[in-house]
Amino acid sequence: DVKVTQSSRYLVKRTGEKVFLECVQDMDHENMFWYRQDPGLGLRLIYFSYDVKMKEKGDIPEGYSVSREKKERFSLILESASTNQTSMYLCASTRTGNTEAFFGQGTRLTVV
Amino acid sequence: AQSVTQPDIHITVSEGASLELRCNYSYGATPYLFWYVQSPGQGLQLLLKYFSGDTLVQGIKGFEAEFKRSQSSFNLRKPSVHWSDAAEYFCAVGLYSSASKIIFGSGTRLSIRP
Repeated sequence: DVKVTQSSRYLVKRTGEKVFLECVQDMDHENMFWYRQDPGLGLRLIYFSYDVKMKEKGDIPEGYSVSREKKERFSLILESASTNQTSMYLCASTRTGNTEAFFGQGTRLTVV
Repeated sequence: AQSVTQPDIHITVSEGASLELRCNYSYGATPYLFWYVQSPGQGLQLLLKYFSGDTLVQGIKGFEAEFKRSQSSFNLRKPSVHWSDAAEYFCAVGLYSSASKIIFGSGTRLSIRP
């Protein structure tokens, strides 16, 4: 059974903290994505990666960075968390040439 | 720019009634098309997908969708809904590129009236 695993279901962080969200996939997929989900806005792409150490900005990269040191792992970093980054964060992966995405369960982040 | 539009934010239907959720996309070529469902507190699950061939595709849980190139639409249908179908539904477009990027619509929340 294919799997995308996000390290935390729920996180509460303070304003100004550095926050790491981790995502691991076991399908040997080339591409990995971080989305942010907010009511009425659907899923918005923050960053994606098509290879180890490669990354591209999505639609809303401001305030975020990413790291992909190994093929199976893609990390989202909030350098200095702010309250407007309170949201649901979803990680996904795809195989190149087959854009069906597999999603993790999501991390609900609250910044106080 | 590529986009996906789901014009209905929230739909309520009676249990046993038929359902159609609308989706329109803007893209220069025929994209990959998907419908995903998200139950409360859960990640997204793929309902069905269209890559090529027959424009009427069947998915899980009794759902189907029809690709209409002339209307740039990919509407989701179910002949008879069940209370367990209450969820949020997302239409998505997969773009031809090395990164296989996917763009999502804003979602339609489905409520079921007993």
